[in-house]
Amino acid sequence: LAKTTQPISMDSYEGQEVNITCSHNNIATNDYITWYQQFPSQGPRFIIQGYKTKVTNEVASLFIPADRKSSTLSLPRVSLSDTAVYYCLVGASGGYNKLIFGAGTRLAVHP
Amino acid sequence: GAVVSQHPSRVICKSGTSVKIECRSLDFQATTMFWYRQFPKKSLMLMATSNEGSKATYEQGVEKDKFLINHASLTLSTLTVTSAHPEDSSFYICSARGPYSGTAGDEQFFGPGTRLTVL
Repeated sequence: LAKTTQPISMDSYEGQEVNITCSHNNIATNDYITWYQQFPSQGPRFIIQGYKTKVTNEVASLFIPADRKSSTLSLPRVSLSDTAVYYCLVGASGGYNKLIFGAGTRLAVHP
Repeated sequence: GAVVSQHPSRVICKSGTSVKIECRSLDFQATTMFWYRQFPKKSLMLMATSNEGSKATYEQGVEKDKFLINHASLTLSTLTVTSAHPEDSSFYICSARGPYSGTAGDEQFFGPGTRLTVL
């Protein structure tokens, strides 16, 4: 399973764009990149998933370069409620494949 | 979106007792469910993979006789912490994998977690 590396923590202010980069040098051909958000005492919540290039949804954008060895989660105009831990995971799709969580990035958004 | 529930959300028990935690996929069938535990300020640690109708697959270092997993139906998996001790106090989270879409990949849907405190 591909190992991921993310910054341990980040700080931002309300209204700013936040970019969290994740390294996954050993990503396999059939691996997808998935980002989850977790608030204290809650289960993780799916944010976005991609395979290559760029993916955008109503919450975030995910940028994946051609070599797929890294990815960047972009949160536009963050608010205080975006303060959470963000996890980058890589893994193959399909029902029997497990996802292993890394340390995650603890994002603190300040007023 | 797909919803996964857990029951109870919080439980306090005495040392030596057993505690059962239920994980249900409410609006989809999940052939595979996963159990995690999480200590304060730490990441989620995968404990086991639960497949409907078969024995669970435990991660290295997880005692299968202590953490009993049963996946009796496509919508229910249970984790029983047997003879619980204070060091078993943790946040237990389950997840269920939805049907493989075949297009953009799939994702796991997580339950809200169960806070276990063993006195």
